[in-house]
Amino acid sequence: DAKTTQPNSMESNEEEPVHLPCNHSTISGTDYIHWYRQLPSQGPEYVIHGLTSNVNNRMASLAIAEDRKSSTLILHRATLRDAAVYYCILRDDGNSNSGYALNFGKGTSLLVTP
Amino acid sequence: DSGVTQTPKHLITATGQRVTLRCSPRSGDLSVYWYQQSLDQGLQFLIQYYNGEERAKGNILERFSAQQFPDLHSELNLSSLELGDSALYFCASSIGGSYGEQYFGPGTRLTVT
Repeated sequence: DAKTTQPNSMESNEEEPVHLPCNHSTISGTDYIHWYRQLPSQGPEYVIHGLTSNVNNRMASLAIAEDRKSSTLILHRATLRDAAVYYCILRDDGNSNSGYALNFGKGTSLLVTP
Repeated sequence: DSGVTQTPKHLITATGQRVTLRCSPRSGDLSVYWYQQSLDQGLQFLIQYYNGEERAKGNILERFSAQQFPDLHSELNLSSLELGDSALYFCASSIGGSYGEQYFGPGTRLTVT
C-alpha cells in the first residue's frame, strides 16, 4: 500500500471546525482512503472512507483532491471527545489477494481545548 | 461499544512463558484481525482469519500463532515471550473477508517481566 503523510499534531478549539490533512502522492487507482481514530485507552474506531468523491457521514466529512494525491478529514464542530489520534490509511480494496489489513502510520494527534 | 470482546484485559507474565489471548468478533462478522501496538512500532497488523481460514499475514513472529474456531472466535498464542513482546494486542472484526470497516476490541495489555 502507498504511504501517507500527516502532521504529528494539531490543536483546535472546542465547537470549531477541524481540517486534518493527509498527503498520499503515490496513491494508486484502486487505493481507498480510510480514516480511523484512536481515543485514549481505546481501540481504533472507523471514521470514514472514500475513493474519489467527497463523502459525508454522521461523524465527519472526507474531502478528496481531484488528483487524489491528498485528502482532508473535516470534523464540523470539534468536541472534547474528538481528542484522539487520527490515522489516514490507504488500502488497495480492489486487490483481493492482498487481504484487507490496515497499515497504520503514526497519525495526527488532535488536541481539543475548551 | 464495538461489539468485539477481548479477554483478558490485562496479562502479566514472565519471559519464556506462553500466553493465549482471546477474541470474540461482532455477531455476524466472519473476519478477525490481530494487531499489535507498541510504543516504538506503533500499530502493526499481525494476521487475519476469514471463516476459519488464514487470509493474510503481516509482521507476525514465528513464536506467535493464531487460529479461528468454528464459532468464529479467535485466539492468539504467544510463546517464548520476550520483554519486547510487551504491548497492547487488538483484535478487530469485519463482516467479510474483503473491504469494509473494521471494528476493534478494547485490547489486551500484555506485560512481560
